[in-house]
This record gives sequence, C-alpha cells and structure tokens, in this order.
Amino acid sequence: GQQLNQSPQSMFIQEGEDVSMNCTSSSIFNTWLWYKQDPGEGPVLLIALYKAGELTSNGRLTAQFGITRKDSFLNISASIPSDVGIYFCAGHGISGNTPLVFGKGTRLSVIA
Amino acid sequence: EAGVVQSPRYKIIEKKQPVAFWCNPISGHNTLYWYRQNLGQGPELLIRYENEEAVDDSQLPKDRFSAERLKGVDSTLKIQPAELGDSAVYLCASSPYTLISSYNEQFFGPGTRLTVL
Repeated sequence: GQQLNQSPQSMFIQEGEDVSMNCTSSSIFNTWLWYKQDPGEGPVLLIALYKAGELTSNGRLTAQFGITRKDSFLNISASIPSDVGIYFCAGHGISGNTPLVFGKGTRLSVIA
Repeated sequence: EAGVVQSPRYKIIEKKQPVAFWCNPISGHNTLYWYRQNLGQGPELLIRYENEEAVDDSQLPKDRFSAERLKGVDSTLKIQPAELGDSAVYLCASSPYTLISSYNEQFFGPGTRLTVL
C-alpha cells in the first residue's frame, strides 16, 4: 500500500527558532495534509493542500504541495512552547475515495 | 459545537477478553471513521461508514474485529477476543460528507487507549 516517509523523526529546538519537516511518497498524492497531535488527543488539521505547487500559510505555519505531487513540507517560524507535539503529514492517493494515509510523525520539542 | 466524543478514554483488559469502544460523531456528520494508532505511528484506517453503510472495511481484521453504526449516528467498535498486539489508541473521526474528487476535513476524537495484558 501507499506509504509516507516523514522526517525528521524528532527535533529539539530553542524557542524562537524556525522548524522544517517534510514528507515524501513513492506514489502521487492528490491531497497533502498536515496535522498536529497533542498528548491524549486526536490529530487536529493544520493545513490542507490540494494542488501541485500550492503554498499555504496558517499563522506561523507554511506548507507546500510539491510539484511532483510526491512530497510536501511544513515550516514553523519563530517557534513557541505550545508548538510542542507530534506533527503528521497525510495524503489521499489519486484514486477516488482512497483512505487517508499518515506518516509516522515528527515529534517536536521546544526548549524555552 | 461539541466535538467527536469517545468512551471510554482508557481500557485495560487481559488477553482473550472482549472490549468495545463507542463513538458519537459531530452532529450532522454522515461519514464516520475508525482508526488504530500504534505507539510511534500515524493513525491507520480500520473502517469508514457513510451513514449506516460500511463503505471501506478492507483494513479491518474481521476475524476478531467488528463494527456497527446501526442508525447512522453513533458507532461501536468491538474486539473479541483481544490479543496483546491490539494494544493501541483507537481513534474515531467524522466528516460532513464525502466527495470522490475532494477532501473533507476529518475531525478526530480524543481516542481510547487500549492496553491488553
């Protein structure tokens, strides 16, 4: 089945630093999504991308849908302590009604 | 507006025992999903309902797992008998509708953390 490779697995950064994480796939995706999951909670959608090349921002978060449709990245600028959590990329393949496929997550820790 | 409600939040059972999880989706959402999230992994879809119909259960281990959504609203996921490898977080999600060529945001519940001893 489709798999997403997400990197890095974990990051430790200082408050105020910028963060970048990415996701790659061996197959083409029609939709790329970025979620954040806090401990004991379900994932919450941060950004959704629908077209190749699309660059979308949500506050300090910026994500892009790769031109090849096989990758996406998420940037967080000027990190703050509440950015701590696990960030997941996810995507839908090109066939209609394919299930959402998730990466393994990037665990972000912010040192104040 | 209330979010997706799941219960129980935590469950500890011995292997070979049955267990059931309950989910109440956001009001008006006709699509309901059950996911399993193993430690250190992303969620993996088990089953998707459109109203009361299971439209994708290809990843549901049907020898021991079952699910129902009888009235197209709340849903129950059951495991009988549970095995050690079933320890995971079981997430329920809902979305308002499904279009073949578009994505409709899935809203996740907090999950049920199952520990099988």
